Amino acid sequence: EPEVTQTPSHQVTQMGQEVILRCVPISNHLYFYWYRQILGQKVEFLVSFYNNEISEKSEIFDDQFSVERPDGSNFTLKIRSTKLEDSAMYFCASLTTEKANYGYTFGSGTRLTVV
Amino acid sequence: GIQVEQSPPDLILQEGANSTLRCNFSDSVNNLQWFHQNPWGQLINLFYIPSGTKQNGRLSATTVATERYSLLYISSSQTTDSGVYFCAVGGYKLSFGAGTTVTVRA
Repeated sequence: EPEVTQTPSHQVTQMGQEVILRCVPISNHLYFYWYRQILGQKVEFLVSFYNNEISEKSEIFDDQFSVERPDGSNFTLKIRSTKLEDSAMYFCASLTTEKANYGYTFGSGTRLTVV
Repeated sequence: GIQVEQSPPDLILQEGANSTLRCNFSDSVNNLQWFHQNPWGQLINLFYIPSGTKQNGRLSATTVATERYSLLYISSSQTTDSGVYFCAVGGYKLSFGAGTTVTVRA
């Protein structure tokens, strides 16, 4: 079964540093997403990406965040200057709308710890 | 945005017991999925079920879209069923509930 692959699985960074989280979505999916989950809380939508541009973003997704699909396969989330409150599990997801398989596939997540 | 409420928030079961988890949502949706979050934090997709009933082994789910709720049934629970179960609904964006934490005791 096709998978969404995320790297790294765990990243520790110092406050103020830039981090890039990487994802390889399923190849024939057209919609790509980042979600995050602060420890003990619900999973929250950050941003959606379609046709090489952001289609929707949440209030959380401020100027410190950016997304890119640099080479047609990878999908990245960059946090420019990390804060302690950015510590969370970040999930990448992709979506197909093919009727037989409609639904989101989530990656295994990147646990980001800001110290 | 769509409101998603899950109940109960916590569930403690003896191994072998059956249980029902509920998800209520505030608007009509194209997508409803149930996930199991394992101890490593991974979200495991259990069902894509915007309507109807599906079964997969000891798990089954039913969504009544017209009444805006979905139920997840766990039968003959095992310790490996422990974890947090999330319901997520939406269309081109998912809204997650707060989850039900299930603990199955041997």
